Amino acid sequence: QVQLVQSGAEVKKPGASVRVSCEASGHTFSAYYMHWLRQAPGQGLEWMGWINVNSGGTNYSQKFQGRVTVTRDTSISTAYMELSSLRFDDTAIYYCAMTSVTPRSWFDLWGQGTLVTVSS
Amino acid sequence: EIVLTQSPATLSLSPGERATLSCRASQSISSSQLSWYQQKPGQAPRLLIYGASTRATGIPDRFSGSGSGTDFTLTISRLEPEDFAVYYCQQYGNLPLTFGGGTKVEIK
Repeated sequence: QVQLVQSGAEVKKPGASVRVSCEASGHTFSAYYMHWLRQAPGQGLEWMGWINVNSGGTNYSQKFQGRVTVTRDTSISTAYMELSSLRFDDTAIYYCAMTSVTPRSWFDLWGQGTLVTVSS
Repeated sequence: EIVLTQSPATLSLSPGERATLSCRASQSISSSQLSWYQQKPGQAPRLLIYGASTRATGIPDRFSGSGSGTDFTLTISRLEPEDFAVYYCQQYGNLPLTFGGGTKVEIK
């Protein structure tokens, strides 16, 4: 069964960094694009960026440029999203989601989400 | 950036009724590159529709999508109890990829 499994909840202080992982199973990891999105409490969905799992190439939303880094380790079929200089308004559920064929596409499959809380 | 505006914000209906959800784009979306998702509390979004009108695998045929250009619609022909949720549209024609603010379909 194809699925994306994310790491557990995190609590961070303002100014710190957080890294969230997303492990893919049940399919060919390198054939996809892995995206990261977030959803603040009670709010809508916001796209942050993607990584071409095969080449390692990335593309980030201008809003997060300079603060977000997406990487992958193909040997363990895992993608990572690191967000730095955390602020209180970065508190959100962070999702990984896959698109196939092209990065500008619909999101076929989603991880279960990881709650990141920024609190002093 | 393409801004997607969904209306209404909340739709109060009874099981068995028809639901019509709207998604309007601030500029034309090429090749109908629009999708719809359903999200229930505590869950990740689930893909319903892509290409404006193609149902994703396993999605019941009571869900249908239509539209082109700047105006898109998701219709649920007869609401089942499990359909009460929040629905989001998403465009993937332009970067950044963007979502609408959502429509909550609640039980009347």
